[in-house]
Amino acid sequence: DAGITQSPRYKITETGRQVTLMCHQTWSHSYMFWYRQDLGHGLRLIYYSAAADITDKGEVPDGYVVSRSKTENFPLTLESATRSQTSVYFCASRGTATGELFFGEGSRLTVL
Amino acid sequence: GESVGLHLPTLSVQEGDNSIINCAYSNSASDYFIWYKQESGKGPQFIIDIRSNMDKRQGQRVTVLLNKTVKHLSLQIAATQPGDSAVYFCAESQNTDKLIFGTGTRLQVFP
Repeated sequence: DAGITQSPRYKITETGRQVTLMCHQTWSHSYMFWYRQDLGHGLRLIYYSAAADITDKGEVPDGYVVSRSKTENFPLTLESATRSQTSVYFCASRGTATGELFFGEGSRLTVL
Repeated sequence: GESVGLHLPTLSVQEGDNSIINCAYSNSASDYFIWYKQESGKGPQFIIDIRSNMDKRQGQRVTVLLNKTVKHLSLQIAATQPGDSAVYFCAESQNTDKLIFGTGTRLQVFP
């Protein structure tokens, strides 16, 4: 089905472990984004990408790594997870003609 | 609006009334604004957007007003329905680049 999908939807891990959240979109959108959502903070931008092999930091990039080897995929990696990274993570994409972001359903990550 | 601690500001309205959700944005250079609706357990969904060369834009049952002088954005929902209950976020950007979101307002619709 067309759209933007995230996996896993739910993940529990331990402090210090590496975790990768996947994001895949079928629209061939140029732009892709990762946000985290926490109570009291709304949605905060972690990283974004304007095209394959181009990434840039957002508001809260520390502790995260991204890559964009293919237009349709934008994985987010926590190289050594910390409890403060417990959150709901949303991936989003958009084309070049509009500012509207299309969001995935979110990945809920718990770091114990 | 701004959140206090872990609690979102909440607007409670009766079904059928009009709702007005307000948002103060921070960057005077922002030229693109957008409203999203987020239902529990789901990703945000686009409602309406507006560029800085406009001060009003209407959609289906929704109107966005932009006051650049005081950096204020509002979303008006006409004839509010139970299905409108959700958290609403405003967001701003420059040149439709990266969107920066506000903290959100919870809309509760009661019968």
